Amino acid sequence: DGGITQSPKYLFRKEGQNVTLSCEQNLNHDAMYWYRQDPGQGLRLIYYSQIVNDFQKGDIAEGYSVSREKKESFPLTVTSAQKNPTAFYLCASSIEASGGYNEQFFGPGTRLTVL
Amino acid sequence: AQSVTQLDSHVSVSEGTPVLLRCNYSSSYSPSLFWYVQHPNKGLQLLLKYTSAATLVKGINGFEAEFKKSETSFHLTKPSAHMSDAAEYFCVVSVQYGGSQGNLIFGKGTKLSVKP
Repeated sequence: DGGITQSPKYLFRKEGQNVTLSCEQNLNHDAMYWYRQDPGQGLRLIYYSQIVNDFQKGDIAEGYSVSREKKESFPLTVTSAQKNPTAFYLCASSIEASGGYNEQFFGPGTRLTVL
Repeated sequence: AQSVTQLDSHVSVSEGTPVLLRCNYSSSYSPSLFWYVQHPNKGLQLLLKYTSAATLVKGINGFEAEFKKSETSFHLTKPSAHMSDAAEYFCVVSVQYGGSQGNLIFGKGTKLSVKP
Protein backbone atom coordinates (compact mmCIF):
# COMPACT_ATOMS: atom_id res chain seq x y z
CA ASP A 1 0.00 0.00 0.00
CA GLY A 2 1.30 3.43 -0.92
CA GLY A 3 0.91 6.19 1.57
CA ILE A 4 2.30 8.40 4.29
CA THR A 5 3.02 7.17 7.78
CA GLN A 6 3.56 9.28 10.85
CA SER A 7 4.74 8.00 14.17
CA PRO A 8 3.94 7.99 16.93
CA LYS A 9 0.21 8.78 16.91
CA TYR A 10 0.38 10.31 20.39
CA LEU A 11 3.48 11.82 21.98
CA PHE A 12 3.99 13.26 25.44
CA ARG A 13 7.03 15.27 26.42
CA LYS A 14 8.16 17.41 29.31
CA GLU A 15 8.62 21.11 28.81
CA GLY A 16 12.13 21.99 27.65
CA GLN A 17 12.78 18.73 25.84
CA ASN A 18 13.34 18.46 22.10
CA VAL A 19 11.19 15.89 20.32
CA THR A 20 11.33 14.48 16.78
CA LEU A 21 8.24 13.50 14.79
CA SER A 22 8.64 10.95 12.04
CA CYS A 23 7.15 11.17 8.54
CA GLU A 24 7.75 8.57 5.83
CA GLN A 25 6.20 8.27 2.36
CA ASN A 26 6.44 5.53 -0.27
CA LEU A 27 4.60 7.46 -3.00
CA ASN A 28 7.83 8.54 -4.72
CA HIS A 29 6.81 12.17 -4.22
CA ASP A 30 9.40 14.91 -4.52
CA ALA A 31 7.75 17.43 -2.20
CA MET A 32 6.96 17.06 1.49
CA TYR A 33 5.35 19.39 4.02
CA TRP A 34 4.78 19.81 7.74
CA TYR A 35 1.69 21.54 9.12
CA ARG A 36 0.54 22.44 12.56
CA GLN A 37 -3.17 22.33 13.38
CA ASP A 38 -4.76 24.14 16.31
CA PRO A 39 -8.52 24.26 16.97
CA GLY A 40 -10.28 26.89 14.86
CA GLN A 41 -7.13 27.91 13.00
CA GLY A 42 -6.98 25.53 10.08
CA LEU A 43 -3.56 24.25 9.03
CA ARG A 44 -0.45 26.39 9.13
CA LEU A 45 2.70 25.54 7.20
CA ILE A 46 5.85 24.97 9.26
CA TYR A 47 8.40 23.77 6.69
CA TYR A 48 8.39 22.32 3.21
CA SER A 49 10.88 20.53 1.02
CA GLN A 50 10.74 20.50 -2.76
CA ILE A 51 13.60 18.05 -3.21
CA VAL A 52 16.13 16.02 -1.24
CA ASN A 53 18.66 18.08 0.74
CA ASP A 54 16.62 21.25 0.36
CA PHE A 55 13.90 22.74 2.54
CA GLN A 56 12.25 26.12 3.11
CA LYS A 57 10.61 27.83 6.05
CA GLY A 58 6.87 28.14 6.04
CA ASP A 59 4.71 30.62 7.92
CA ILE A 60 5.50 29.44 11.47
CA ALA A 61 9.01 27.92 11.36
CA GLU A 62 10.31 29.43 14.61
CA GLY A 63 11.13 26.75 17.17
CA TYR A 64 11.13 23.93 14.62
CA SER A 65 13.79 22.24 12.49
CA VAL A 66 13.71 19.66 9.70
CA SER A 67 16.01 17.56 7.53
CA ARG A 68 15.54 15.90 4.15
CA GLU A 69 18.38 13.42 3.69
CA LYS A 70 16.22 10.87 1.87
CA LYS A 71 13.36 11.32 -0.55
CA GLU A 72 11.10 9.14 1.60
CA SER A 73 11.69 10.84 4.94
CA PHE A 74 11.08 14.32 6.34
CA PRO A 75 11.41 14.35 10.15
CA LEU A 76 10.36 17.38 12.19
CA THR A 77 12.07 18.36 15.43
CA VAL A 78 10.14 20.48 17.88
CA THR A 79 12.74 22.29 19.93
CA SER A 80 12.55 23.80 23.39
CA ALA A 81 12.44 27.22 21.70
CA GLN A 82 8.91 26.58 20.47
CA LYS A 83 6.75 28.53 22.92
CA ASN A 84 3.53 26.54 22.59
CA PRO A 85 4.28 23.13 21.05
CA THR A 86 1.12 21.28 22.08
CA ALA A 87 -0.76 20.70 18.81
CA PHE A 88 -1.72 18.20 16.12
CA TYR A 89 1.04 17.85 13.51
CA LEU A 90 0.34 16.72 9.96
CA CYS A 91 2.81 15.66 7.32
CA ALA A 92 1.93 15.74 3.62
CA SER A 93 3.52 15.05 0.25
CA SER A 94 2.87 15.90 -3.39
CA ILE A 95 4.30 14.72 -6.69
CA GLU A 96 6.07 18.04 -7.14
CA ALA A 97 5.99 21.33 -5.29
CA SER A 98 5.46 23.77 -8.11
CA GLY A 99 2.45 22.21 -9.76
CA GLY A 100 -0.61 24.03 -8.54
CA TYR A 101 -2.84 21.19 -9.70
CA ASN A 102 -1.10 18.59 -7.59
CA GLU A 103 -3.04 17.77 -4.48
CA GLN A 104 -1.23 16.98 -1.30
CA PHE A 105 -1.61 13.61 0.40
CA PHE A 106 -1.72 13.64 4.18
CA GLY A 107 -0.52 11.32 6.88
CA PRO A 108 -2.70 10.42 9.90
CA GLY A 109 -1.03 12.99 12.15
CA THR A 110 0.81 13.05 15.49
CA ARG A 111 -0.76 14.67 18.54
CA LEU A 112 1.98 16.19 20.67
CA THR A 113 1.27 17.15 24.26
CA VAL A 114 3.89 18.98 26.28
CA LEU A 115 3.40 18.62 30.01
CA ALA B 1 -1.72 37.12 -2.80
CA GLN B 2 -4.14 34.27 -2.47
CA SER B 3 -6.48 33.75 0.46
CA VAL B 4 -9.55 31.72 1.32
CA THR B 5 -12.44 32.42 3.70
CA GLN B 6 -14.87 29.83 4.98
CA LEU B 7 -17.98 31.71 5.92
CA ASP B 8 -19.27 29.34 8.61
CA SER B 9 -17.26 27.80 11.41
CA HIS B 10 -20.04 25.32 12.21
CA VAL B 11 -22.97 23.96 10.17
CA SER B 12 -25.60 21.61 11.52
CA VAL B 13 -28.03 19.65 9.32
CA SER B 14 -30.42 16.76 9.72
CA GLU B 15 -29.71 13.44 8.07
CA GLY B 16 -31.20 13.34 4.58
CA THR B 17 -31.23 17.14 4.11
CA PRO B 18 -28.92 19.11 1.81
CA VAL B 19 -25.49 20.31 2.84
CA LEU B 20 -24.00 23.70 1.87
CA LEU B 21 -20.54 24.72 3.07
CA ARG B 22 -19.52 28.15 1.84
CA CYS B 23 -16.09 29.27 0.68
CA ASN B 24 -14.86 32.49 -0.91
CA TYR B 25 -11.37 32.90 -2.34
CA SER B 26 -9.10 35.73 -3.36
CA SER B 27 -6.55 35.26 -6.12
CA SER B 28 -4.88 37.44 -8.72
CA TYR B 29 -4.51 34.44 -10.99
CA SER B 30 -6.76 31.65 -12.11
CA PRO B 31 -6.80 29.59 -8.94
CA SER B 32 -6.56 25.91 -8.17
CA LEU B 33 -9.08 25.13 -5.45
CA PHE B 34 -9.62 22.08 -3.29
CA TRP B 35 -11.94 20.76 -0.61
CA TYR B 36 -10.49 18.42 1.99
CA VAL B 37 -12.32 16.53 4.75
CA GLN B 38 -10.93 15.59 8.15
CA HIS B 39 -12.55 13.15 10.55
CA PRO B 40 -11.62 13.49 14.24
CA ASN B 41 -7.95 12.81 14.98
CA LYS B 42 -7.30 11.76 11.39
CA GLY B 43 -5.37 13.18 8.46
CA LEU B 44 -6.99 15.09 5.61
CA GLN B 45 -8.59 13.42 2.60
CA LEU B 46 -9.14 15.13 -0.73
CA LEU B 47 -12.84 15.47 -1.64
CA LEU B 48 -12.48 17.28 -4.95
CA LYS B 49 -10.38 19.80 -6.85
CA TYR B 50 -10.94 22.55 -9.42
CA THR B 51 -8.17 23.06 -11.95
CA SER B 52 -9.70 25.39 -14.59
CA ALA B 53 -11.56 22.70 -16.47
CA ALA B 54 -15.29 22.20 -15.78
CA THR B 55 -16.72 24.71 -13.30
CA LEU B 56 -18.91 22.06 -11.65
CA VAL B 57 -16.63 19.57 -9.97
CA LYS B 58 -17.81 16.22 -8.68
CA GLY B 59 -15.99 14.57 -5.81
CA ILE B 60 -16.17 11.52 -3.64
CA ASN B 61 -19.10 10.51 -1.41
CA GLY B 62 -21.64 12.50 -3.43
CA PHE B 63 -20.10 15.92 -2.84
CA GLU B 64 -19.72 18.53 -5.53
CA ALA B 65 -18.59 22.15 -5.77
CA GLU B 66 -19.15 24.90 -8.29
CA PHE B 67 -16.50 27.43 -9.21
CA LYS B 68 -18.07 30.87 -9.73
CA LYS B 69 -15.51 33.40 -10.85
CA SER B 70 -17.92 36.34 -10.74
CA GLU B 71 -18.68 35.63 -7.08
CA THR B 72 -15.17 34.35 -6.21
CA SER B 73 -16.85 31.38 -4.58
CA PHE B 74 -16.31 27.63 -4.43
CA HIS B 75 -19.15 26.33 -2.27
CA LEU B 76 -19.39 22.63 -1.39
CA THR B 77 -22.75 20.88 -1.62
CA LYS B 78 -24.33 17.49 -1.16
CA PRO B 79 -28.01 16.72 -1.85
CA SER B 80 -28.56 14.46 1.15
CA ALA B 81 -26.45 14.35 4.31
CA HIS B 82 -25.40 11.07 5.87
CA MET B 83 -24.31 10.55 9.47
CA SER B 84 -20.84 9.60 8.22
CA ASP B 85 -20.46 13.09 6.69
CA ALA B 86 -19.97 14.59 10.14
CA ALA B 87 -16.42 15.95 10.02
CA GLU B 88 -14.43 19.12 9.49
CA TYR B 89 -14.13 20.48 5.96
CA PHE B 90 -11.38 22.71 4.63
CA CYS B 91 -11.48 24.91 1.56
CA VAL B 92 -7.98 25.32 0.12
CA VAL B 93 -6.34 27.46 -2.57
CA SER B 94 -3.00 26.71 -4.18
CA VAL B 95 -0.32 29.41 -4.38
CA GLN B 96 0.03 30.19 -8.07
CA TYR B 97 3.14 32.31 -8.29
CA GLY B 98 6.50 32.84 -6.69
CA GLY B 99 8.94 30.76 -4.69
CA SER B 100 6.22 28.98 -2.77
CA GLN B 101 4.23 28.07 -5.88
CA GLY B 102 2.25 24.92 -5.30
CA ASN B 103 1.93 25.45 -1.55
CA LEU B 104 -1.56 25.33 -0.12
CA ILE B 105 -3.42 28.00 1.85
CA PHE B 106 -6.11 26.59 4.11
CA GLY B 107 -9.34 28.10 5.32
CA LYS B 108 -10.04 27.85 9.03
CA GLY B 109 -12.44 24.97 8.51
CA THR B 110 -16.17 24.29 8.84
CA LYS B 111 -17.31 21.68 11.28
CA LEU B 112 -20.33 19.78 9.93
CA SER B 113 -22.70 18.13 12.40
CA VAL B 114 -25.38 15.72 11.19
CA LYS B 115 -28.40 15.09 13.41
CA PRO B 116 -30.35 11.82 13.15
